[in-house]
Amino acid sequence: DIQMTQSPSSLSASVGDRVTITCRASQTINMYLNWYQQKPGKAPKLLICAASTLQSGVPSRFSGSGSGTQFTLTISSLQPEDFATYYCQESYSTPPAFTFGPGTRVDVK
Amino acid sequence: QVQLQQSGPGLVKPSETLSLTCVVSGYSISSGYYWGWVRQPPGKGLEYVATTYHTGRTYSNPSLKSRVTMSVDIPKNQVSLNLTSVTATDTAVYYCVRGDPREWSVDSWGQGTLVTVSS
Repeated sequence: DIQMTQSPSSLSASVGDRVTITCRASQTINMYLNWYQQKPGKAPKLLICAASTLQSGVPSRFSGSGSGTQFTLTISSLQPEDFATYYCQESYSTPPAFTFGPGTRVDVK
Repeated sequence: QVQLQQSGPGLVKPSETLSLTCVVSGYSISSGYYWGWVRQPPGKGLEYVATTYHTGRTYSNPSLKSRVTMSVDIPKNQVSLNLTSVTATDTAVYYCVRGDPREWSVDSWGQGTLVTVSS
């Protein structure tokens, strides 16, 4: 089974900061990696699929990169509405396992 | 725009069966995509439960596979989940989801239903 880890588990940042979250897979998953944002009490929202493809309507300050076993989610200039928890999810497994990372919480410094 | 409306009891007794239904609007479930469930224990991360295709092909989390049953009702455009022999560890918010098989991403989510397993 593929295991997903994320670092850091939490971070504190200010509006305007550049934020980077790392996701690692226990084996190569090529570019089969998706990113989600979840705000308290709400369902997650898909931000990025296939490591770097931004979903329609997602602000361009979000970007994803990486391949193989290491991936990053970057927020170029943190906005107030970006304080949330971010999850990565591998989509490489067959049959699909939808394995999520443990999450990275971004809160106000 | 697809909408997923969930329903089901918020309290289930240990050893009983958890049953949830998700009515889909804005998209016909027989037109494609996978439909299923992701859960989130209170204060914890996301865990895949199962997904099913309108043909009946179902994938489920290996750790839950023996207890999970999903069904599809095409005329009602809904999917259902049954999780048997529940324990306190099954307490979670359960989300109905749409899975995109092109990227195996979850592109739509229901509002979530907190299901507590307790006597």
